[in-house]
Amino acid sequence: KAGVTQTPRYLIKTRGQQVTLSCSPISGHRSVSWYQQTPGQGLQFLFEYFSETQRNKGNFPGRFSGRQFSNSRSEMNVSTLELGDSALYLCASSRTGGDYNEQFFGPGTRLTVL
Amino acid sequence: LAKTTQPISMDSYEGQEVNITCSHNNIATNDYITWYQQFPSQGPRFIIQGYKTKVTNEVASLFIPADRKSSTLSLPRVSLSDTAVYYCLVGEGGTGRRALTFGSGTRLQVQP
Repeated sequence: KAGVTQTPRYLIKTRGQQVTLSCSPISGHRSVSWYQQTPGQGLQFLFEYFSETQRNKGNFPGRFSGRQFSNSRSEMNVSTLELGDSALYLCASSRTGGDYNEQFFGPGTRLTVL
Repeated sequence: LAKTTQPISMDSYEGQEVNITCSHNNIATNDYITWYQQFPSQGPRFIIQGYKTKVTNEVASLFIPADRKSSTLSLPRVSLSDTAVYYCLVGEGGTGRRALTFGSGTRLQVQP
């Protein structure tokens, strides 16, 4: 069974631009969560999507948004990029999203904002 | 959200048993305790999950006392490849809604 895939793996943008990251969950998984990881703040939860609906949201500004498609693939968008948005963005999928289901993480997208 | 507290770092030697304790004083009734392992430049990998007492799998054991205000991840006979960051998470379960918070993690360094 293929794992969680994320594209692109690396991205370089400049301040003010916007970026879209993509995540394909494991086949059959309906929950997709996004996390931001930085050396200073650690691993922080952004949001979770389940059946095309945002079910949970972390404490991030509205510049961070996402969506999920009918095939469970998910995209995350960051608008008006700031230097502080440089981070590793991780996507994780699970079957239903309850905490009793383990999450499977992708390799991440390394975003650098110049 | 239940906040977790773990030691920032730990050192061990190959072949030793390593115990990493996580405090989660305000854990809620519906919360499960989950541990993940993360290597540099990779996403975290699920290790073990439990609700109470003891859980064991082929990789680790998880000990949870009756009050559930802490938990201990036990790694038997560690090797160099166990050098990683270990995260303890406490999240709402049972309803299908997630409220996971990753703490700062414990950086385990295994030496020969």
